[in-house]
Amino acid sequence: DAEITQSPRHKITETGRQVTLACHQTWNHNNMFWYRQDLGHGLRLIHYSYGVHDTNKGEVSDGYSVSRSNTEDLPLTLESAASSQTSVYFCASSEDRVGAGELFFGEGSRLTVL
Amino acid sequence: EDQVTQSPEALRLQEGESSSLNCSYTVSGLRGLFWYRQDPGKGPEFLFTLYSAGEEKEKERLKATLTKKESFLHITAPKPEDSATYLCAVQGGSEKLVFGKGTKLTVNP
Repeated sequence: DAEITQSPRHKITETGRQVTLACHQTWNHNNMFWYRQDLGHGLRLIHYSYGVHDTNKGEVSDGYSVSRSNTEDLPLTLESAASSQTSVYFCASSEDRVGAGELFFGEGSRLTVL
Repeated sequence: EDQVTQSPEALRLQEGESSSLNCSYTVSGLRGLFWYRQDPGKGPEFLFTLYSAGEEKEKERLKATLTKKESFLHITAPKPEDSATYLCAVQGGSEKLVFGKGTKLTVNP
C-alpha cells in the first residue's frame, strides 16, 4: 500500500543546531506540504512543493527551508533551531493541486528544542 | 484573509447521544471545505470534501453539511471509537488550506 512516512518520529535537539526532518511518500503525488501543529493553533503551513525543483513559502516559513530533488521526498531543514520551533511537524501529500484538500498525512515528528 | 473557527473546543457525549460540531468560515472564493479526523499521536485523516452550499456527505455515523457561512459535522448515535479531534479546513483562491483549531470529541461508554 502507498504511504507517507516521516522520520525521526521524536527528536530532542539544542538551540542553534541544524535539524532535518525527512518525509517520504510512495503515492507518486506531485504536491507535498509541511505543517506544524501547536496547542492553541490550527495546523499552519510552513512550506510546500508542487513538483520537483518547485518550493514555496507558507505562512510560517521563517527559519525553515525545503528542497525537492525527486517526487518522493521533501525534507524540512531548520537551519538554526530555536525554542519557538518546538512543535509537532506533519508532512502531507495530495494528488490534485486545485481542490487539493484531500491531503494524506504522515504520523508526525515531535521536535523539542532545548 | 481566510479564517476558520470551530466550536465547541471540546465536547463530551454519552454513547448514543447525537450532537453536532460547528465550523464557521470566511473565505474569498471557496474552492472546498474539508473535514478531517485526528487521533492522539497520529496525523489527520481525511473524511469529507464539500464544494457548495446545500451539499451533504455521509460516512457511517457522520454527516457533513455546508451553508455559505458554516459547516456542521453531525454525529448520530456516537460510539466510543468516534472519540477524536475533528478538524475543519477551507481552501479559497490562494489554493492553500486554512485549518481551524479543532473540536476534541470524547464519547463515554
